Amino acid sequence: DTGVSQDPRHKITKRGQNVTFRCDPISEHNRLYWYRQTLGQGPEFLTYFQNEAQLEKSRLLSDRFSAERPKGSFSTLEIQRTEQGDSAMYLCASSLTGTSGPYEQYFGPGTRLTVT
Amino acid sequence: LAKTTQPISMDSYEGQEVNITCSHNNIATNDYITWYQQFPSQGPRFIIQGYKTKVTNEVASLFIPADRKSSTLSLPRVSLSDTAVYYCLVGRMDSSYKLIFGSGTRLLVRP
Repeated sequence: DTGVSQDPRHKITKRGQNVTFRCDPISEHNRLYWYRQTLGQGPEFLTYFQNEAQLEKSRLLSDRFSAERPKGSFSTLEIQRTEQGDSAMYLCASSLTGTSGPYEQYFGPGTRLTVT
Repeated sequence: LAKTTQPISMDSYEGQEVNITCSHNNIATNDYITWYQQFPSQGPRFIIQGYKTKVTNEVASLFIPADRKSSTLSLPRVSLSDTAVYYCLVGRMDSSYKLIFGSGTRLLVRP
């Protein structure tokens, strides 16, 4: 257990439905990242927050995706009008700037999304 | 960000030392080398990070030659529980520190 939690762990939805995932990072961590991972591939960066500010979004993040981190604590990732291509594991990670390991991120267990 | 190349898969036996080499010919002066481990149905886990020469922690060692165009992750005396995917990442200390993963190396440790 890394201290990063994600909810739900699994989600099955029908195409066209909206889904929302939640990530609770390690409490003192100011950075929060979202990644997506499909079978057999490494995780792909989607977006990141420093505190409550969303500072970078990948081109993978289409208009149907939105992420928030109100108050710089937990974060939500919403996918509207889901498509079968959205089926993947969605991973959240957090880190703390100013530490000796700038690339040391702590990942949650992920939310596995299946769109039918 | 420098592209990395690492073997798709490796096999080993319990108790052996495993060395996974990663090529990153286009590494930039400010780039760091980081390795992550991932078990099935779990998020990746940070193993080790280095800039040059050798870094060692309680889990692994990272060897980086002087030209930094490659690096080798060394796992001493592997056990069955070390069966996982290992990712080599290269990135600079920019403002985001986002991780760019390749496909990784699937290590299978046999009894």
